[in-house]
Amino acid sequence: DTAVSQTPKYLVTQMGNDKSIKCEQNLGHDTMYWYKQDSKKFLKIMFSYNNKELIINETVPNRFSPKSPDKAHLNLHINSLELGDSAVYFCASSQDPGPLVTEQYFGPGTRLTVT
Amino acid sequence: QKEVEQDPGPLSVPEGAIVSLNCTYSNSAFQYFMWYRQYSRKGPELLMYTYSSGNKEDGRFTAQVDKSSKYISLFIRDSQPSDSATYLCATDWGAQKLVFGQGTRLTINP
Repeated sequence: DTAVSQTPKYLVTQMGNDKSIKCEQNLGHDTMYWYKQDSKKFLKIMFSYNNKELIINETVPNRFSPKSPDKAHLNLHINSLELGDSAVYFCASSQDPGPLVTEQYFGPGTRLTVT
Repeated sequence: QKEVEQDPGPLSVPEGAIVSLNCTYSNSAFQYFMWYRQYSRKGPELLMYTYSSGNKEDGRFTAQVDKSSKYISLFIRDSQPSDSATYLCATDWGAQKLVFGQGTRLTINP
């Protein structure tokens, strides 16, 4: 019974393609996130949703579009993939953030390679 | 200047050594400071967190914050091979958002 799951685990695709990554959490959390971790292990937030509503939208190209069909799911669709999109994408969730966000539960990551 | 700076290492020490991992941060408004541990090919997991200045101890791990110098430390006593991982410091950028350091890759050699 995985808390935060992502599919697929690995994704290899060519430049210009469109791809999606799916995330599901069974923790009953209200907030979900997408992070990008580059080859130097730098982990940076991309988006966050609270109860299906977009809360944080960092400076991310328009080619990235998150979608939250319900509060347990947050998907990431990427259009026109570029070489620079190659990274590990992590989904995470946390309780309603309120004034404090400390513990976020991360999924296992999706390793995206664009060739 | 990055909001949180961390030496990426790698850092390699013998089993049983005391390990010191450090970060600096830029904004004095940051209040909560966290250490996440990330094993290879896994997602990060929260190790411990502190609020404002001071120390917090949990078993072999001690987190320390010095707000006057904007310095965050994690000490690992009696280090074990199972402690080999990447350690990421993080801080809260207001509600709902964490800002991470680059992570330090640590190897404990048996």
